[in-house]
Amino acid sequence: GAVVSQHPSRVICKSGTSVKIECRSLDFQATTMFWYRQFPKQSLMLMATSNEGSKATYEQGVEKDKFLINHASLTLSTLTVTSAHPEDSSFYICSARDTRGGFYEQYFGPGTRLTVT
Amino acid sequence: AQSVTQLDSHVSVSEGTPVLLRCNYSSSYSPSLFWYVQHPNKGLQLLLKYTSAATLVKGINGFEAEFKKSETSFHLTKPSAHMSDAAEYFCVVSVNAGKSTFGDGTTLTVKP
Repeated sequence: GAVVSQHPSRVICKSGTSVKIECRSLDFQATTMFWYRQFPKQSLMLMATSNEGSKATYEQGVEKDKFLINHASLTLSTLTVTSAHPEDSSFYICSARDTRGGFYEQYFGPGTRLTVT
Repeated sequence: AQSVTQLDSHVSVSEGTPVLLRCNYSSSYSPSLFWYVQHPNKGLQLLLKYTSAATLVKGINGFEAEFKKSETSFHLTKPSAHMSDAAEYFCVVSVNAGKSTFGDGTTLTVKP
C-alpha cells in the first residue's frame, strides 16, 4: 500500500508556543487529507478535511484559528497548533486519500504525539 | 451520514481461544469498512478492509471479518488468540475514502 509520513513523531512544547505537524503522501498525490485527534484512551475524532489549494473544512467544535491547516501541495498538508495549551496535548493522526486509477483508498500516517507543558 | 457502534468496550479471552469483536455500522451510501489495531502509544495498523467485493474478508495475523448488509454488521474474528493480540481495536466506516468515522474502540485483553 501507499505510505503516509508524519513529522515529527513526538514533540514537546511549552504552553503558549506554536507547533507545526507535517503530513506527507510519499508515493502518491493527495488532493484531500484528513486530520484526526485522539485523546488518551479515546477514539479518533475528525478535526478537519484538508483540500489542496483551498481552505480546510473544520468539524463542529474545532477552532479554525487555533488549528491552522495548510495544504499547499499535492503531497503535503500541515497542521499548526497555535498558542498551545496543556489541553491540546494529544495524538494527532493524518490520513491521505489516494484516488489513482479511479479507486479510492485512504492511508493513515503514524501519528504525532504532542505534549504541551 | 455514517456511524459506527462497537458493541463491547472490553473483551477478555484466554490465549488460544477464539476472539469476537462486534461492530455495527450505519451509512447512507455503500460503505467501506475497516478494522484497525492500535498497540499502546503506537499508530494505527490496518487489519483488513471491506470495499464491496467479497463479504468475507481475510486480514493479517489470522483475523477475518464478515460484512453482513442485512444485519449492518462487520464483526472481527480470530480462531485462536495470541498474547500479542492484546491491543485496542477500532471499527471504521467511510465512503469513497472520504472522512472516516471511528467506533469508540474495543480493548482486547488476552490472558495466559
